[in-house]
Amino acid sequence: GNSVTQMEGPVTLSEEAFLTINCTYTATGYPSLFWYVQYPGEGLQLLLKATKADDKGSNKGFEATYRKETTSFHLEKGSVQVSDSAVYFCAGGNTDKLIFGTGTRLQVFP
Amino acid sequence: SQTIHQWPATLVQPVGSPLSLECTVEGTSNPNLYWYRQAAGRGLQLLFYSVGIGQISSEVPQNLSASRPQDRQFILSSKKLLLSDSGFYLCAWKRTRRDAFFGQGTRLTVV
Repeated sequence: GNSVTQMEGPVTLSEEAFLTINCTYTATGYPSLFWYVQYPGEGLQLLLKATKADDKGSNKGFEATYRKETTSFHLEKGSVQVSDSAVYFCAGGNTDKLIFGTGTRLQVFP
Repeated sequence: SQTIHQWPATLVQPVGSPLSLECTVEGTSNPNLYWYRQAAGRGLQLLFYSVGIGQISSEVPQNLSASRPQDRQFILSSKKLLLSDSGFYLCAWKRTRRDAFFGQGTRLTVV
């Protein structure tokens, strides 16, 4: 079946450090891929998405590129801020279901 | 614009009591609707999804059930809660191959 695997956290960084959170997927066909962010005590918000191979999603300084050859959708940001501290979820879906990874907690310290 | 409402925001229930969580969507028709659960320290688990009125797909066997009595209403229920049912429950809607929009969640504590 379809699945999404992302790196376990927590990821702890200093402000202005470079961020990478790995995500790989297993699916039949070519799913749409998403990154969601969850701030403390809140629901999930869409951060960025890509719907086909080589697409790059970007938002708020975050980027992720849909790599078909490596079945990956790694999240990156060049310079993180304390306000980026949250849980990040990778997700994929190609029909009616949207499957999430286990989430990666990011903690950014000043 | 589309909005999704989920309530209550927090709930404390004793073991063995019934449960009913409601989710409604405004501003769209015939959405796909989803219930997810996020247990403490764990990821987001898909519990149920529905592609239309009365159509429910169950992803994980458990003592929970879901119903969709109207196009934009999705209800999560249990006849008898277990301690292991504690968690953060999220309702979401989406269209096929599009991104999902989430409610603010219900934090359920079973005591």
